[in-house]
Amino acid sequence: GENVEQHPSTLSVQEGDSAVIKCTYSDSASNYFPWYKQELGKRPQLIIDIRSNVGEKKDQRIAVTLNKTAKHFSLHITETQPEDSAVYFCAARDQAGTALIFGKGTTLSVSS
Amino acid sequence: GAVVSQHPSRVICKSGTSVKIECRSLDFQATTMFWYRQFPKQSLMLMATSNEGSKATYEQGVEKDKFLINHASLTLSTLTVTSAHPEDSSFYICSGGDGRQPQHFGDGTRLSIL
Repeated sequence: GENVEQHPSTLSVQEGDSAVIKCTYSDSASNYFPWYKQELGKRPQLIIDIRSNVGEKKDQRIAVTLNKTAKHFSLHITETQPEDSAVYFCAARDQAGTALIFGKGTTLSVSS
Repeated sequence: GAVVSQHPSRVICKSGTSVKIECRSLDFQATTMFWYRQFPKQSLMLMATSNEGSKATYEQGVEKDKFLINHASLTLSTLTVTSAHPEDSSFYICSGGDGRQPQHFGDGTRLSIL
């Protein structure tokens, strides 16, 4: 089955800096890669996703890149703000109707 | 957007009690419901996948007789933790799918067994 590795486990940046979180996946059939932000005690919130027919996607300060050959994808947050502090999870899925498999998460801390 | 309503949000009960968690899809038909468990400071781990009208498929290491899943309709799926013990204390969260992306998560249930 699918296995998703995520790094780093913790990331501390200064406000205004960029943050990058990287994930790798094992199943070459995976074609959907969402990123979630989770605040303590709450459900994961989808912040951006990418499908395998696209190499990059951007939404304001957030971008995701995908390298299908290397089977890795990354989340980029620019101009970080204290409210970006949370746990971020990457996930992968091989087809609609199957479960998302999550990485172990990255705790992002943005200090002002 | 699509909404999954999950109840209760918090349960505190004694060891040996059975606890039922409900997830309802409010504005779409959840043909599939995924149940995850999240221990503190850990990731979401898939417990089981249920399809409406059929038996759930459990992940390796998840006891099907302990975690009973029912998905009798396209809008309701339930997870019952039977004879719960302190080690079952966790954050349980469901996610509904209608065959398209993305999945829609419930708000989660924090289960504490004393």
